[in-house]
Amino acid sequence: AQRVTQPEKLLSVFKGAPVELKCNYSYSGSPELFWYVQYSRQRLQLLLRHISRESIKGFTADLNKGETSFHLKKPFAQEEDSAMYYCALRDLEYGNKLVFGAGTILRVKS
Amino acid sequence: GAGVSQSPRYKVAKRGQDVALRCDPISGHVSLFWYQQALGQGPEFLTYFQNEAQLDKSGLPSDRFFAERPEGSVSTLKIQRTQQEDSAVYLCASSSTEVRRNQPQHFGDGTRLSIL
Repeated sequence: AQRVTQPEKLLSVFKGAPVELKCNYSYSGSPELFWYVQYSRQRLQLLLRHISRESIKGFTADLNKGETSFHLKKPFAQEEDSAMYYCALRDLEYGNKLVFGAGTILRVKS
Repeated sequence: GAGVSQSPRYKVAKRGQDVALRCDPISGHVSLFWYQQALGQGPEFLTYFQNEAQLDKSGLPSDRFFAERPEGSVSTLKIQRTQQEDSAVYLCASSSTEVRRNQPQHFGDGTRLSIL
């Protein structure tokens, strides 16, 4: 079965420090991976997806099929990055649903 | 509208009551999804519509849960004889294309349901 694991409930870093939010997945086919972000009092919104291979707000994520990982990285954290981050997998073989991890709270301290 | 709209934002009901949650997707979006998010967890898939057809309802936890989208736009999620474990945030999402097309899902603010 498809599964997404985010091992850290909370990640706390200082402003300017590098950030890496971990995401591992379990899936037998070719998945499509996403990172969604939820800022305080806002709705869940798409941050980036692996097929775009783009950098959004300084964040990047590379799909590593060998390690079944899709970690989210940013070289220099900013206070406005503080939010809840969810890694998600889309199963293209069995419908269009998203399978989410439990989420990681990122706190950037000044 | 500019985004996915859900109503009500908050709903409190007594155990055993029936509730109905509404979702207005982005205009013209073909696909509509419902997710349930329990406290401290990520969203979990409930059901999926393509236009008015309910193509996947594998995530509905029991036959007390029922969803419809009769005209292919607005959708309603109904929960009958609510129980305390139904307390959660119910999220609706829509996307512009059908299965196998690379379009992201856009989420609403959700309805926070509390069962007393």
